[in-house]
Amino acid sequence: GAGVSQSPSNKVTEKGKDVELRCDPISGHTALYWYRQSLGQGLEFLIYFQGNSAPDKSGLPSDRFSAERTGGSVSTLTIQRTQQEDSAVYLCASSLGGGPTDTQYFGPGTRLTVL
Amino acid sequence: AQTVTQSQPEMSVQEAETVTLSCTYDTSENNYYLFWYKQPPSRQMILVIRQEAYKQQNATENRFSVNFQKAAKSFSLKISDSQLGDTAMYFCAYNDYKLSFGAGTTVTVRA
Repeated sequence: GAGVSQSPSNKVTEKGKDVELRCDPISGHTALYWYRQSLGQGLEFLIYFQGNSAPDKSGLPSDRFSAERTGGSVSTLTIQRTQQEDSAVYLCASSLGGGPTDTQYFGPGTRLTVL
Repeated sequence: AQTVTQSQPEMSVQEAETVTLSCTYDTSENNYYLFWYKQPPSRQMILVIRQEAYKQQNATENRFSVNFQKAAKSFSLKISDSQLGDTAMYFCAYNDYKLSFGAGTTVTVRA
């Protein structure tokens, strides 16, 4: 596709439910990133994929958060037993090679609201 | 993660005027990459400009330019001839394969 796409655009869920957020990166980009944007914490790194492996998961806030990437393409971020503090915009980005020289291109984000 | 500081939460500028956004960062690396991203109300993060630390020449992209002061660890963004479409939140970011962002500066361009 022309750019990074994310679905759903908005998600409202009840506390305690599980949610899955999807990211489709730019074709050919080997690196994929998840970030979280919230009012209190700003923009935070969550996880980085190079191909299908995740060499850096250091930003995942708890073991309720997990992510996978299949076929070196689509990635899913899963939040189990959602809490109100998980409410945020989840942004996905991809880059060609994943190095510090590479520009990261962002998707439009998924706004998650936990009631 | 590296520390990136944007000390101006909000800036307002008249259309066609110039506005400068400040950014400082902390790193022990000698070579690195800095970015400015724009996030309009649509939420889409858009790359504005990038700077490679080993290049002394300041980057320029049309109406956007940076003043990169490596010794001072400063990376400011100048928007010239401001347009209504420049209204957005602007984030400074340090890239060491993952981005570390500043808190952002909301820029409002007045007609």
